[in-house]
Amino acid sequence: DAGITQSPRHKVTETGTPVTLRCHQTENHRYMYWYRQDPGHGLRLIHYSYGVKDTDKGEVSDGYSVSRSKTEDFLLTLESATSSQTSVYFCAISESPGQPPEANVLTFGAGSRLTVL
Amino acid sequence: GQNIDQPTEMTATEGAIVQINCTYQTSGFNGLFWYQQHAGEAPTFLSYNVLDGLEEKGRFSSFLSRSKGYSYLLLKELQMKDSASYLCAVTSDYKLSFGAGTTVTVRA
Repeated sequence: DAGITQSPRHKVTETGTPVTLRCHQTENHRYMYWYRQDPGHGLRLIHYSYGVKDTDKGEVSDGYSVSRSKTEDFLLTLESATSSQTSVYFCAISESPGQPPEANVLTFGAGSRLTVL
Repeated sequence: GQNIDQPTEMTATEGAIVQINCTYQTSGFNGLFWYQQHAGEAPTFLSYNVLDGLEEKGRFSSFLSRSKGYSYLLLKELQMKDSASYLCAVTSDYKLSFGAGTTVTVRA
């Protein structure tokens, strides 16, 4: 199995508190992604990274920030958590979004379930 | 952005065949992917289509028509373990966007 781990796996926090989710990979893949998954919406891209210190926004980036100081680690931060950010967060990695198609395949972490009260 | 549509739920009998349709509207299409996700677990890759036609992988096949913006995933000889959500995803401008998923329930 691909080496990708997320922590914490479960977290309950209160509105207004900061939260950081960590994604760690041992595959040396260049691309890393953070998605959130909510009923009826499927997986939605929050932010992604295409290299150390290189990140870009996805479709639902408001309220989130990311950092990638090392190839293996991609952090997602909620500066001030809100109830609307209660979700399951998945980290994913891929070799490249380009060619060949096999390089586009995402490998997902096990997910982090966040509850904001 | 992408507009990806797939049915919300489908039910089928063990041993039967089920076809999950996916339609999409996108610019800069690069490829279409199918993922399987069991309840409470992470999605896992099933198949991809870049060119028109049918791709077969064991009991699973995936079809793509780029001109129609249409794909389907065909699951044959259904087994109870196939009960899961199936996610259609489209790569456009090298970013992957997902449909909401189709939950397939296999009955004995």
